[in-house]
Amino acid sequence: AQSVTQPDIHITVSEGASLELRCNYSYGATPYLFWYVQSPGQGLQLLLKYFSGDTLVQGIKGFEAEFKRSQSSFNLRKPSVHWSDAAEYFCAVVPLMNTGFQKLVFGTGTRLLVSP
Amino acid sequence: EPEVTQTPSHQVTQMGQEVILRCVPISNHLYFYWYRQILGQKVEFLVSFYNNEISEKSEIFDDQFSVERPDGSNFTLKIRSTKLEDSAMYFCASSEAEGGAEQFFGPGTRLTVL
Repeated sequence: AQSVTQPDIHITVSEGASLELRCNYSYGATPYLFWYVQSPGQGLQLLLKYFSGDTLVQGIKGFEAEFKRSQSSFNLRKPSVHWSDAAEYFCAVVPLMNTGFQKLVFGTGTRLLVSP
Repeated sequence: EPEVTQTPSHQVTQMGQEVILRCVPISNHLYFYWYRQILGQKVEFLVSFYNNEISEKSEIFDDQFSVERPDGSNFTLKIRSTKLEDSAMYFCASSEAEGGAEQFFGPGTRLTVL
């Protein structure tokens, strides 16, 4: 079945430590790939996106993500986490279909906790 | 910086009542969307809207739901007869184009159906 999987529901990282959030997708053709962040009481903010080209994508707030076609993955990374990064992170795709190129399909999200 | 706004931030209603959730998309955007997030679950697509008509809708978006762009700025989601399971956070989004164009999200309206 077509899906977006984020295997980690919660992750706790110490401030200053590196971070990797996992995302796998299951679609016949590589979809457009996105990472969104949701802070408490806020809407969803786009961190970065991948359509084609360089498989390492830079985003806002020091985040990056790497697309690996062989693993159907698009993992989000940050070298040094700040306390303000505590939030919910959503991987999302826009499936490439004959019609309807528009809807975002979200993963279940990973809640990031940052410890002092 | 332009942003998507939504009103109200929280709506409480009785089961069976009609509710209208309002959104003001970014002014030069042409594509509009509604998503919902039931507490503890993932964000789900409801409907997309372009050129004054629905371009795509999900199975969730049944006859109880409708969308409208009543004027040049507002985009509304109406639920005709609310059910308990409609309780969720509803997000409006807009984009300049379709496909992989960034969708800008509003802060959401929390709908509670009693």
